[in-house]
Amino acid sequence: DIQMTQSPSSLSASVGDRVTITCRASQDINNYLAWFQQKPGKAPKSLIYAASSLQSGVPSKFSGSGSGTDFTLTISSLQPEDFATYYCQQYNSYPRTFGGGTKVEIK
Amino acid sequence: EVQLVESGGGLVQPGGSLRLSCAASGFTFSTYRMNWVRQAPGKGLEWVSYISTGSTTIYYADSVKGRFTISRDNANNSLYLQMNSLRDEDTAVYYCARDYSGGDYWGQGTLVTVSS
Repeated sequence: DIQMTQSPSSLSASVGDRVTITCRASQDINNYLAWFQQKPGKAPKSLIYAASSLQSGVPSKFSGSGSGTDFTLTISSLQPEDFATYYCQQYNSYPRTFGGGTKVEIK
Repeated sequence: EVQLVESGGGLVQPGGSLRLSCAASGFTFSTYRMNWVRQAPGKGLEWVSYISTGSTTIYYADSVKGRFTISRDNANNSLYLQMNSLRDEDTAVYYCARDYSGGDYWGQGTLVTVSS
């Protein structure tokens, strides 16, 4: 199984900050990497697919980068609605595996 | 508008069974592969099962293999998860998700609680 290691597990940031979350796969996943945002009590929402492609309707302040085994989600200017937990997921092979999540909190 | 609506969750005793359903609308269900993903209280996301469009290819997480069965009814735009021999550790919110670009649409989830 492919292991997904996400860091940090939590971070505190202020409105307007630039935030970066990283995700590392235990083997090459051919850029089959997705990022999700989840707010308390809600279903995950897809933000990024294929490592760097923005899902329809997702604001451009979200961006993804990386290749091979190392990937990054960046939020360019954090807004109040962005405080949530973010997960990466590899969909290169089954079993699908998720990172442990990064909780973004208000400083 | 794409919609996925899960149902069938509830409280069940250890060793019991439940059948979850996911009603799909707003897209051609028969042309999309589907997954079930779960989330235990306060924990992260865990993939559970996958089914191809024609039900010819099915995968399960090791944690549920032999106890859970995924199926679909393309004529009725529905996805199912039959859960048998339930354990305490199966307590979670269960989501169905469309398998496109890693999971582009998710339902709102249904809570399964396994407890005596």
